[in-house]
Amino acid sequence: SYALTQAPSVSLAPGQTARITCERDNIGSKTVHWYQQRPGQAPVLVVFADSDRPSGIPERFSGSNSGNTATLTISRVEAGDEADYYCQVWNTSRVLFGGGTKLTVL
Amino acid sequence: QITLKESGPTLVKPTQTLTLTCTFSGFSISTSGMGVGWIRQPPGKAPEWLAVIYWDDDKRYSPSLRSRLTITKDPSKNQVLLTMTNMGPVDTATYFCAHAPDAAAGIWFDPWGQGTLVTVSP
Repeated sequence: SYALTQAPSVSLAPGQTARITCERDNIGSKTVHWYQQRPGQAPVLVVFADSDRPSGIPERFSGSNSGNTATLTISRVEAGDEADYYCQVWNTSRVLFGGGTKLTVL
Repeated sequence: QITLKESGPTLVKPTQTLTLTCTFSGFSISTSGMGVGWIRQPPGKAPEWLAVIYWDDDKRYSPSLRSRLTITKDPSKNQVLLTMTNMGPVDTATYFCAHAPDAAAGIWFDPWGQGTLVTVSP
């Protein structure tokens, strides 16, 4: 199966830069999308097509994708960024989600 | 502004069929490039994609659940329906519908509905 691997958790102090990765062999050949899910809420798209931002998403959120790793970067982390983050791809006629990374802001 | 809302039973018994309705506004599913998808999320777990339907009635299903799923649309009511047969306890989850633009860059979901929790129990 085509699994997407994410680290379970990352913890940072406010103002630091979070790098959340999504790994799979040759993921760079796929288009990756990222979602933020705060507790008790529906997921929100924060990056699509590897590195594009939907309207209303702060410039602090950026994405990249190359080789075996796609990365969501959150600059100057704030308390409000504390959430679960999921990567997602379309592969061989199915949508796949990563297992998620919980971002904790200390 | 696009909004979506899921509706349906909150409790179903094992072996029953679940029917969920997604009612949306802000777009027409008859318009080229428009689509609606269904995604579910068991408590404490990652989302799992179920199905998507597009403006031209193109339908895609999760291979692992394909035999149990049917997705349809009613453009006159701005609704998309999902049926899932033979429900079991492992199907307990929050079910979301979401707008899915038909893009060359593949499928993504934006925005999502608030979700509806479906519990499968005798």
